Amino acid sequence: QSVLAQSPSASGTPGQRVTISCSGGSSNIGSNTVDWYQHLPGTAPKLLIYSDVQRPSGVPDRFSGSKSGTSASLAISGLQSGDEAEYYCAAWDDNLKGYVFGTGTKVTVL
Amino acid sequence: QVQLVQSGNEVRKPGASVKVSCEASGYTFGIFGISWVRQAPGQGLEWMGRISVDNGDTKYAQKFQDKVSLTTDISTSTAYMELRSLRSDDTALYFCAREIFSGSLALDHWGQGTLVTVSS
Repeated sequence: QSVLAQSPSASGTPGQRVTISCSGGSSNIGSNTVDWYQHLPGTAPKLLIYSDVQRPSGVPDRFSGSKSGTSASLAISGLQSGDEAEYYCAAWDDNLKGYVFGTGTKVTVL
Repeated sequence: QVQLVQSGNEVRKPGASVKVSCEASGYTFGIFGISWVRQAPGQGLEWMGRISVDNGDTKYAQKFQDKVSLTTDISTSTAYMELRSLRSDDTALYFCAREIFSGSLALDHWGQGTLVTVSS
């Protein structure tokens, strides 16, 4: 089990806004920045958000990140069928001295 | 454009070792660190470790401290991940990935993945 906990699933209809949460602790989210990835099984993950709120070039502004205390969130607005994927948060953990991924959230577009 | 191209799929017996390569192009190899991440069947993403290409400094996840060696060859812009004492639960898709900037573990470019199957 990861030290970064995510809800197993989230869903929405096209056009809706979906929010995914990532809960950690003082040794990871509380003291280090959070990154978010989109992943389809068998393919390379894609970086969506880094340093809590930054979007790499080419990532639509429909994706946004936020952080408060020891929790972080990824919001997807204007949900599209192509957004169906697994989403992972990740952060450095000072106790584990490693980069840890969250448990993952599967997003379904209804 | 930035590309990371990994070596082909591998099959090994338990107890053996495997070495996966990751050839980078489209950027100055020595500037960015490289991490390795794996995904076992039905499991999530798992970070294994990273290497600073400029000085060879490595950091390994605790689980992989005695099992993985990360190296690079700047002359060929290639990173390597060697996994030893393979077990069936090492069967996974292994990815190399480039760190977005120095000091960050955020991974902005990824290889296509190498499937390592461990089976007797």
